[in-house]
Amino acid sequence: AQTVTQSQPEMSVQEAETVTLSCTYDTSESNYYLFWYKQPPSRQMILVIRQEAYKQQNATENRFSVNFQKAAKSFSLKISDSQLGDTAMYFCALYTGNQFYFGTGTSLTVIP
Amino acid sequence: DTAVSQTPKYLVTQMGNDKSIKCEQNLGHDTMYWYKQDSKKFLKIMFSYNNKELIINETVPNRFSPKSPDKAHLNLHINSLELGDSAVYFCASSLPWSEQFFGPGTRLTVL
Repeated sequence: AQTVTQSQPEMSVQEAETVTLSCTYDTSESNYYLFWYKQPPSRQMILVIRQEAYKQQNATENRFSVNFQKAAKSFSLKISDSQLGDTAMYFCALYTGNQFYFGTGTSLTVIP
Repeated sequence: DTAVSQTPKYLVTQMGNDKSIKCEQNLGHDTMYWYKQDSKKFLKIMFSYNNKELIINETVPNRFSPKSPDKAHLNLHINSLELGDSAVYFCASSLPWSEQFFGPGTRLTVL
């Protein structure tokens, strides 16, 4: 069975600071992808970043980067220079070829 | 152009009624999904279709029935609505080994 765990239900960060959101997962599949999605108050689900498991290099997208530790089955998201627009719910997701598995989410608040 | 669209975005109805939510994607994706997001923001997969064929059918009451007339559309019909059905319902689509694209969601309120 596949599982995705986000152990931080809520987090906050000062504007311009850096914050890291944690995600661990479990799968017996050798090939899989990992994603971080953002859901702002508008409720639209927006892809933040994705990581292919076969790639050793950590993915980056502007201020967003991941720390992918395959052996530890860990996939954390780092947000640098936090902005007010980063306030949102963040979901970690695992894709194993036929289904997506989502974590329970982390609510991030950026404080001015 | 909207990639994944859902109608309506808001739906308020009485218990016992039957309602439908429509979803369309113009991305040429083969796989479409329905998710339910409850008040705690948990996302739960309900159904998944690949090329009009049902491939995932999670434990969902029989009152929920998906229908895919073609691979660009996946509609959700709900019979005999109950209070517990109140939630946000998301449609999504994807290609194999790629990210999902989500619709804007439909907030269903059952009174």
